Amino acid sequence: DAGVIQSPRHEVTEMGQEVTLRCKPISGHDYLFWYRQTMMRGLELLIYFNNNVPIDDSGMPEDRFSAKMPNASFSTLKIQPSEPRDSAVYFCASSRRREAFFGQGTRLTVV
Amino acid sequence: SQQGEEDPQALSIQEGENATMNCSYKTSINNLQWYRQNSGRGLVHLILIRSNEREKHSGRLRVTLDTSKKSSSLLITASRAADTASYFCATDSGGGADGLTFGKGTHLIIQP
Repeated sequence: DAGVIQSPRHEVTEMGQEVTLRCKPISGHDYLFWYRQTMMRGLELLIYFNNNVPIDDSGMPEDRFSAKMPNASFSTLKIQPSEPRDSAVYFCASSRRREAFFGQGTRLTVV
Repeated sequence: SQQGEEDPQALSIQEGENATMNCSYKTSINNLQWYRQNSGRGLVHLILIRSNEREKHSGRLRVTLDTSKKSSSLLITASRAADTASYFCATDSGGGADGLTFGKGTHLIIQP
């Protein structure tokens, strides 16, 4: 298995634009997580899914953020409209039991 | 909010020395995990210790858990330059991988 695959690896966008981050989890994993990492706040859990169903989205910072998991092999995190303070590295991770496997992350810069 | 808090925030040692990092947490847990993150990469799972275990070994890694003090330590013996990375502890309070909560990490630098 190729591991958790995220795209794009880097994204630079202007404030106000819509940004969509994509994630393909490891096949057979039933948990999927979205994290955000910044120097100031560290690694924050935004939302996680179990069997494609959102379980806890209390970490989503604002209504500008939304996440979907239409099937077991794909998830998106959307920010609309984007703001400079959304600049961070966004990680997707998947799990079948307790160990989480992370993707390489998407480095988002909003200018 | 952050559950685990690593200490120290940064650690620099000579190659061959042992490196010890600590993690403290606030609430009861089912298990505690340690992860490593190399610069610009995703986190990689190192080791998991259950709440009823006190010590666990994996290669050059030794993890201890003291649930009475709500703390854990990660020891890397005979450090190598390739061990340079950030190390995070993560706690799991649920029945499975229900949203691991990470600390801010310890940045370890191994000087050759």
